[in-house]
Amino acid sequence: QSVLPQPPSTSGTPGQRVTISCSGSSSNIGSSYVYWYQQLPGTAPKLLIYRNNQRPSGVPDRFSGSKSGTSASLAISGLRSEDEADYYCAAWDDSLSGWVFGGGTKLTVL
Amino acid sequence: EVQLVESGGGLVQPGGSLRLSCVASGFTFSNYWMSWVRQAPGKGLEWVANMKQDGSEKNYVDSVKGRFTISRDNAQNSLYLQMNSLRAEDTAVYYCARDNDFGDYWGQGTLVTVSS
Repeated sequence: QSVLPQPPSTSGTPGQRVTISCSGSSSNIGSSYVYWYQQLPGTAPKLLIYRNNQRPSGVPDRFSGSKSGTSASLAISGLRSEDEADYYCAAWDDSLSGWVFGGGTKLTVL
Repeated sequence: EVQLVESGGGLVQPGGSLRLSCVASGFTFSNYWMSWVRQAPGKGLEWVANMKQDGSEKNYVDSVKGRFTISRDNAQNSLYLQMNSLRAEDTAVYYCARDNDFGDYWGQGTLVTVSS
């Protein structure tokens, strides 16, 4: 069981908007920035969102992040076939003195 | 261009040792925390360890404490992970990642397989 539970899978059709949730606690999401990563099959993870809601240069504005209390979410609008990937959240955990990841959500574009 | 290149993975027997290296380029290595993250086959990401810019702080996930040691050589722009007493459950692709904004850059990974 991951420290940051995420739904194991989600799906959507092209053009649709999907959201992926990430649940935490006061020792991690509640007191730390949240980061989101996209991992395409066979490749290294890529940073999508940093510090809760900031997009690195080159990441389309279809991707957005938000945080409220001890939960966070990633939204993808205008879904495209190339968005089919695994998505992970992460946050620093003060109790564990380490980074913790969500278990990952596999996004399928139907 | 920021680049992180890992090496040192391979097949090792249970109880054996391996040293991973990560060479950084394209940024001032000594200004950044650095992390090791691993991914077992078909599984999710797991953070392993990180180290402060000057080496004065290190953190480890509980499952590797006492077995793995993270180190760095800022003069060589290199990060290391010494892995001892390896177990089957340490089998994974090991990535190094820049850590000031966690994981803004990742290497391509190096595969460690622990098996007899």
